[in-house]
Amino acid sequence: DAGVIQSPRHEVTEMGQEVTLRCKPISGHNSLFWYRQTMMRGLELLIYFNNNVPIDDSGMPEDRFSAKMPNASFSTLKIQPSEPRDSAVYFCASSSDRYTDTQYFGPGTRLTVL
Amino acid sequence: AQKVTQAQTEISVVEKEDVTLDCVYETRDTTYYLFWYKQPPSGELVFLIRRNSFDEQNEISGRYSWNFQKSTSSFNFTITASQVVDSAVYFCALSEGDSNYQLIWGAGTKLIIKP
Repeated sequence: DAGVIQSPRHEVTEMGQEVTLRCKPISGHNSLFWYRQTMMRGLELLIYFNNNVPIDDSGMPEDRFSAKMPNASFSTLKIQPSEPRDSAVYFCASSSDRYTDTQYFGPGTRLTVL
Repeated sequence: AQKVTQAQTEISVVEKEDVTLDCVYETRDTTYYLFWYKQPPSGELVFLIRRNSFDEQNEISGRYSWNFQKSTSSFNFTITASQVVDSAVYFCALSEGDSNYQLIWGAGTKLIIKP
């Protein structure tokens, strides 16, 4: 079975540019999560979707960050404009439609903003 | 107050040794879930185990075993006969309540297995 798929795996961009990260959750999973991992702050939950609807976006750092889930098999996290402090590994995770079910993570996207 | 404590920042052992990674948690909920994830040098986060608060049975999966003790609020992870491929950062996490998607993460323990 395919796991969570993320693209790109690595992204290098210049400050001010728009960055779009993509995620395909595990088929049949109705919950989707975006996380950011940095050395300083560890793993942070950015946003949580359930049945394609954003339920909790309190972790989104600021208005430069936005996330969408147009259908059950695709989600995007966009940063516009990007800043060097956005450099991090961004993970997407999915779980079945129960709050406390296990979250399965994708391979992550390593973002570097110069 | 930190709710999930992994006091061991880094552990280094020689291959074939047994090693235990400690995880101490804090919660007032009677229903909660505990998790272990592995993050190898390649960077992905791999799910290892999920345990609910009502199941204190220890778990064994191959060389991996987990000891859940509610009396000491601990959920420790032991690798028997460690191998170089076990080198990774291991995270313990807590989810509180019966309807909470939020994972509270420990800081992680970096495990180095020397050949």
